[in-house]
Amino acid sequence: DAGITQSPRHKVTETGTPVTLRCHQTENHRYMYWYRQDPGHGLRLIHYSYGVKDTDKGEVSDGYSVSRSKTEDFLLTLESATSSQTSVYFCAIRNRGQGGEQFFGPGTRLTVL
Amino acid sequence: RKEVEQDPGPFNVPEGATVAFNCTYSNSASQSFFWYRQDCRKEPKLLMSVYSSGNEDGRFTAQLNRASQYISLLIRDSKLSDSATYLCVGDSGNTPLVFGKGTRLSVIA
Repeated sequence: DAGITQSPRHKVTETGTPVTLRCHQTENHRYMYWYRQDPGHGLRLIHYSYGVKDTDKGEVSDGYSVSRSKTEDFLLTLESATSSQTSVYFCAIRNRGQGGEQFFGPGTRLTVL
Repeated sequence: RKEVEQDPGPFNVPEGATVAFNCTYSNSASQSFFWYRQDCRKEPKLLMSVYSSGNEDGRFTAQLNRASQYISLLIRDSKLSDSATYLCVGDSGNTPLVFGKGTRLSVIA
């Protein structure tokens, strides 16, 4: 299995509170991604990173921010959580120089009450 | 039009059956493709990569038709453990991977 972990694995929070999810990799891959997955929508890209301090928006970036201060960590922040952000969040890593396959972390199940 | 489209299913098949899923893509620049398998409440896991016309791994065969812009996944001799959602992905090399919504397979005893 790819060396990718996510924390926390489960979180329940209240509307209006800030939340930060962490993705950590040990593979030294350049590319990292945050997705959310909801019934009927499949995997939707929130933000991605193509290097330290290099990030870009995905298709559903509103309400989310990211930071990548070192290769191994990619943080996703919900500045003020809303109930519509209740979802399962997956982090993924990718080394495009070696076949381009993408590997996913185990996911974080977030509930916003 | 969504970049990658899949029949959501569900496909309900008996054990031992052969089942095929199709995935159509709109970006003709896509060079490689991937099939992922996702079990309920788990992360997607890479099942197969396709870089040329196709790939075969045991009971699983992927075939790419660039002229018609679709890729298929064939599963022979279905097992109960094959029950999952199968995600198709196209890679054009310049942008993040775009995933289809997945096709749900249920193999029934």
